Amino acid sequence: DAMVIQNPRYQVTQFGKPVTLSCSQTLNHNVMYWYQQKSSQAPKLLFHYYDKDFNNEADTPDNFQSRRPNTSFCFLDIRSPGLGDAAMYLCATSIRTGIAQPQHFGDGTRLSIL
Amino acid sequence: GESVGLHLPTLSVQEGDNSIINCAYSNSASDYFIWYKQESGKGPQFIIDIRSNMDKRQGQRVTVLLNKTVKHLSLQIAATQPGDSAVYFCAELGGSYIPTFGRGTSLIVHP
Repeated sequence: DAMVIQNPRYQVTQFGKPVTLSCSQTLNHNVMYWYQQKSSQAPKLLFHYYDKDFNNEADTPDNFQSRRPNTSFCFLDIRSPGLGDAAMYLCATSIRTGIAQPQHFGDGTRLSIL
Repeated sequence: GESVGLHLPTLSVQEGDNSIINCAYSNSASDYFIWYKQESGKGPQFIIDIRSNMDKRQGQRVTVLLNKTVKHLSLQIAATQPGDSAVYFCAELGGSYIPTFGRGTSLIVHP
């Protein structure tokens, strides 16, 4: 089945130690998104790629960066994680056509900071 | 700013009852609406969508109603089952491919 896969499902890192979260998709969608979700809250968009074009949300901290080496893969890099960065990180994809389409989400990576 | 919101943060129902989850939106330019279900420890899962040229759309046990006059969206779940327990988010798009998510409603189904 075509899907969005996130690895790992659980990630523990130390305060200030860089960490990378991975996302891959078999849907061949041209848009990939990274969201941060904290408990009992809606997903908060960090940034997204439309093909190779990177789009950063205005309030996304500089600590968060992303790479999309090809259509299938997208990475979230957190350069110096702080305690406030502990959250679920969701990757999503969508296909951008002439009309709006729904997003397809992975099951997330839960990040803990020691 | 414009936003999408939910009236009830938690909804408790008995198994077999019908559930109604509501969502208010304020962007009159929104023309596409989506309901997602998010189970604990998982990502949001697409349930049903509706475009602004419709006022009702039905799926399997779910119905979405759109009232553009009062900018209101609802999700109806028939014969609610314990497996329906989750957080439900509405999302809206208007002139962009980036959705705006509502706060979410936690649905608790009691056996």
